[in-house]
Amino acid sequence: QPVLTQPPSASASLGASVTLTCTLSSGYSNYKVDWYQQRPGKGPRFVMRVGTGGIVGSKGDGIPDRFSVLGSGLNRYLTIKNIQEEDESDYHCGADHGSGSNFVWVFGGGTKLTVL
Amino acid sequence: EVQLVESGGGLVQPGGSLRLSCAASGFTFSSYWMHWVRQAPGKGLVWVSRINSDGSSTSYADSVKGRFTISRDNAKNTLYLQMNSLRAEDTAVYYCARDHKSWGQGTLVTVSS
Repeated sequence: QPVLTQPPSASASLGASVTLTCTLSSGYSNYKVDWYQQRPGKGPRFVMRVGTGGIVGSKGDGIPDRFSVLGSGLNRYLTIKNIQEEDESDYHCGADHGSGSNFVWVFGGGTKLTVL
Repeated sequence: EVQLVESGGGLVQPGGSLRLSCAASGFTFSSYWMHWVRQAPGKGLVWVSRINSDGSSTSYADSVKGRFTISRDNAKNTLYLQMNSLRAEDTAVYYCARDHKSWGQGTLVTVSS
């Protein structure tokens, strides 16, 4: 099954841009990844799904146009432009693997985004 | 609007049992696969279990296999997680999720003596 790796932290100044990275383990370059935003004390909120061709499907409800994704090789990127205070959150990536009794849904360790 | 509301969490002793519920509304519950995902304090998300739309097929993470049972009542629009032989490492907020896009707010399970 794939392993998803995320840096534990990132920071950006108000109004700036930041790119968060989720890296798939070797051999899983064709996998799609979901990005989630999680504010303190809240459940995860779906942001969007990304493959090597970019966004797959539509963004989650209420996700602003400032959020975009890109996929390249083993990396899946989430870029946030014109960062606002409300973007300060934990960001998780996740991917499905397998089917039936062998199904697993794996997640990265999450990246804590701090808005300076 | 899709709503998922978890309940049933609380403090339980090691070796004890607990049943979590997830009340669903705003969509045709019987049409969707459902999941339980947990998050230990200060840690990342960990998938626990999945059930298909009619309840005939289930999957579990190795860490809970044989101890947890996922089920659903489509007439009541409710998802369940029966947790037995609980361990300290099961302490977490437990979320139910519909497909991969809709999540509840979670219910906290604390396993401690």
